[in-house]
Amino acid sequence: QQPVQSPQAVILREGEDAVINCSSSKALYSVHWYRQKHGEAPVFLMILLKGGEQKGHEKISASFNEKKQQSSLYLTASQLSYSGTYFCGTEIGTGGFKTIFGAGTRLFVKA
Amino acid sequence: EAQVTQNPRYLITVTGKKLTVTCSQNMNHEYMSWYRQDPGLGLRQIYYSMNVEVTDKGDVPEGYKVSRKEKRNFPLILESPSPNQTSLYFCASSLKGQGTGYTFGSGTRLTVV
Repeated sequence: QQPVQSPQAVILREGEDAVINCSSSKALYSVHWYRQKHGEAPVFLMILLKGGEQKGHEKISASFNEKKQQSSLYLTASQLSYSGTYFCGTEIGTGGFKTIFGAGTRLFVKA
Repeated sequence: EAQVTQNPRYLITVTGKKLTVTCSQNMNHEYMSWYRQDPGLGLRQIYYSMNVEVTDKGDVPEGYKVSRKEKRNFPLILESPSPNQTSLYFCASSLKGQGTGYTFGSGTRLTVV
């Protein structure tokens, strides 16, 4: 039931864009996105609850497709501070309280 | 400052010696959870608690115990640690559990020799 994240890793130059995908075989109640820097705790970025929802600000945003089985995280005009590992966390169905995380996408932004 | 506090940050112990990792949050969150993080596997849920005295198993509960006697505290107990429990552990809390984001503690790096 672990969601599949892609790509596993990506290297960018400052100013370039990136897309990280998170896919599930089942319809999801919600999708969370987190960023973890090396040696630190994951930090919550945003949560999407509705099919077709798009969220975030101009530089970091996310979408949740209509079928609620896929979410994408968009990083625009990347900065050095964007480096880290990005995780999606998925909740399946209502009434449950389990959030299952993907294996993560390692993002490295170089000058 | 709103936060989740875990202690200790680092712990080296021997096989079979009982240990407790403490977790406390000051945000009045109902939901708390423990995860372990291993390379290439992401974050795997050990146990979670929806409120005081209400706990349930996550995906990898074997070898662990938890309790939730107070809303703010959610300790993780390893009664007989084994080397395969060497990992990085995170405690997390959220307002309601479902449909709300998590705040993570700083992590506890546990080594069992």
